[in-house]
Amino acid sequence: GQNIDQPTEMTATEGAIVQINCTYQTSGFNGLFWYQQHAGEAPTFLSYNVLDGLEEKGRFSSFLSRSKGYSYLLLKELQMKDSASYLCACMDSNYQLIWGAGTKLIIKP
Amino acid sequence: IAGITQAPTSQILAAGRRMTLRCTQDMRHNAMYWYRQDLGLGLRLIHYSNTAGTTGKGEVPDGYSVSRANTDDFPLTLASAVPSQTSVYFCASSDRGQGDGANVLTFGAGSRLTVL
Repeated sequence: GQNIDQPTEMTATEGAIVQINCTYQTSGFNGLFWYQQHAGEAPTFLSYNVLDGLEEKGRFSSFLSRSKGYSYLLLKELQMKDSASYLCACMDSNYQLIWGAGTKLIIKP
Repeated sequence: IAGITQAPTSQILAAGRRMTLRCTQDMRHNAMYWYRQDLGLGLRLIHYSNTAGTTGKGEVPDGYSVSRANTDDFPLTLASAVPSQTSVYFCASSDRGQGDGANVLTFGAGSRLTVL
């Protein structure tokens, strides 16, 4: 079956760095997405990786290893507004999106 | 402001009642989607539409129906609501259709539905 695993909850300190991991098992692979979702709000797009390596976008970076079925989202210089859930989603061989349950990130001052 | 509008924001409904969740987008996106989000689970696709006039079933379509009469509107109907349909429902849209390559989704703010 198809499966996306990510930690349920993480806690980090304001100003620090946090890495949110995502492992996946899908039938084929056509890319991996990260979305941010603040409590009670809509998910919003953060990043898309289809090739191995690190993609940097300001304070946020996303990494992909296709051979390991693994991705991470790296958040630097954490701010209180980064408290949110982070959703990992993979696109399988039919371009169907398979979503993880999300990682709730709590930022403490 | 361009985006997706969902209504109602929140609704409490008696089991057995009919309910339609409304979704309108003004981005002229081709594809639209309905997802449900439940605690501890990933987003699950209910129905989608790649273009006006066409619809398709997602992962959890039973008990739901959709229509796509035009580009902008994509209502989701629960013909006879049951308590297991208590959830947060998100409408989304994308330029590309389901199965048509990698597509970034734009989501509405969600509709919280409670079925008693």
